[in-house]
Order: sequence, then C-alpha cells, then structure tokens
Amino acid sequence: QVQLQESGPGLVKPSQILSLTCTVSGDSISSGGHYWSWIRQHPGKGLEWIGYIYYSGSTFYNPSLKSRVAISVDTSKNQFSLNLSSVSAADTAVYYCARTFVVVTGRSAGWFDPWGQGTLVIVSS
Amino acid sequence: SSELTQDPAVSVALGQTVRIPCQGDSLRTYYASWYQQKSGQAPLLVIYGKNNRPSGIPERFSGSTSGNTASLTITGAQAEDEADYYCYSRDISAKHWVFGGGTKLTVL
Repeated sequence: QVQLQESGPGLVKPSQILSLTCTVSGDSISSGGHYWSWIRQHPGKGLEWIGYIYYSGSTFYNPSLKSRVAISVDTSKNQFSLNLSSVSAADTAVYYCARTFVVVTGRSAGWFDPWGQGTLVIVSS
Repeated sequence: SSELTQDPAVSVALGQTVRIPCQGDSLRTYYASWYQQKSGQAPLLVIYGKNNRPSGIPERFSGSTSGNTASLTITGAQAEDEADYYCYSRDISAKHWVFGGGTKLTVL
C-alpha cells in the first residue's frame, strides 16, 4: 500500500521560505513511471496544482507560482520536497503531496493517486 | 479563474442519478480525472482516463466526455457520496495542469 506523508513547519513568517517534505512508503521514487506532485488548498477554497518532479529531477511548475517554487527529490531517502519563497498570507493553505500519473500517448491524461493527508501551513508574523 | 468550469453546487435525491459536468476547451484533447473530497479529508481519486475506477471505488461512479465537457455520473447516489468533487486536466495551452473550481454535492 502506497502512502505519502507531508512534514514541515506549520507556521512560517512572511517573506521567508516555506519548506515541506513528502516521505513515500510502499513505492520507490527511483523506480520511475510516476511523477510526484505538490498541490495546495486555501482555506475553504478549491485545489491548486503547484508542480511535479520526476525521479531524474525534471520539474514542471504551475506558471503562476513558477518564479517562487522549487521542487527537489532525494531518492536515497525516498522523499521529495517543496520550497516556496517570499511567502505571504496568501500562501496560507493545506499542502498535499501526491503520486502522479501522466499519460501522453494517445489522448493525454493525468491523475493523482494516492494523496498524503495534507499539512496546514499558516503564514503569519 | 479556472480554465475548467464546474457548477458550484448540485443536489440529488437519495438513490437517484446525478451528473457533475466539467467544461473546458482542453477537454476536447485531454481526459479529466475526478476527485472526491469529504469535509476535513484529503481528496480521493474516483475516475481517471477514459472511464477508469481505482480499486475500491464503487461501480456507481462513472466518467464520460463529450465535446468540451467531461462528466462524473453517480448512478444511485448514496448519503456517503455527499462531498466536494473536483475535475483535473491539462490547460488549453498544454503548458500546465489545472483543477476545476469544484462542485459541492448534496444528497437529499
């Protein structure tokens, strides 16, 4: 059974860097075949895809966040991480990590399965 | 604003069939995936690809696409299906991926 678990500070000060780690169990990031994503959800709002990474380190980001986002992978620890810089109150959200399937042959499709339980990050001084 | 448009709220009588649409030009080219999110929980994949259900998802959930609209259909809605439902697909420029704004399903 594949499980993902987010970890990191629940409180970050404005203008600082938000850093989260996702630990994967039951699957190996380095086996390839999947991407690994970060998604967030502002309080009471919808879902926002942040970006994903492949085991090789290739990344793909949401253009609206691209200038502030960096996703990295540590295959030795079976973890991937999110860094979001210059945060403000608008970055307060529940952050999820998820295993990501991307199919580009034929009619393309992408989906997330499974998701981590999510971690609330509040940006406040 | 989302490039995938969903109705904010839909209701269905217990045991009846409900269709939850997701509209966007990219859906003429890309399949949508669908997620169920109950209050206080992480989203759960219910449909992906043309019309595939992950293990454990009841058969009453199905997906379809026609033109620029993808739909999630629940045939014989149950009380436990009350949740928010989100579609997800590629954006029209094919440069990134987007979620729909979500539909709150109420089972009466």
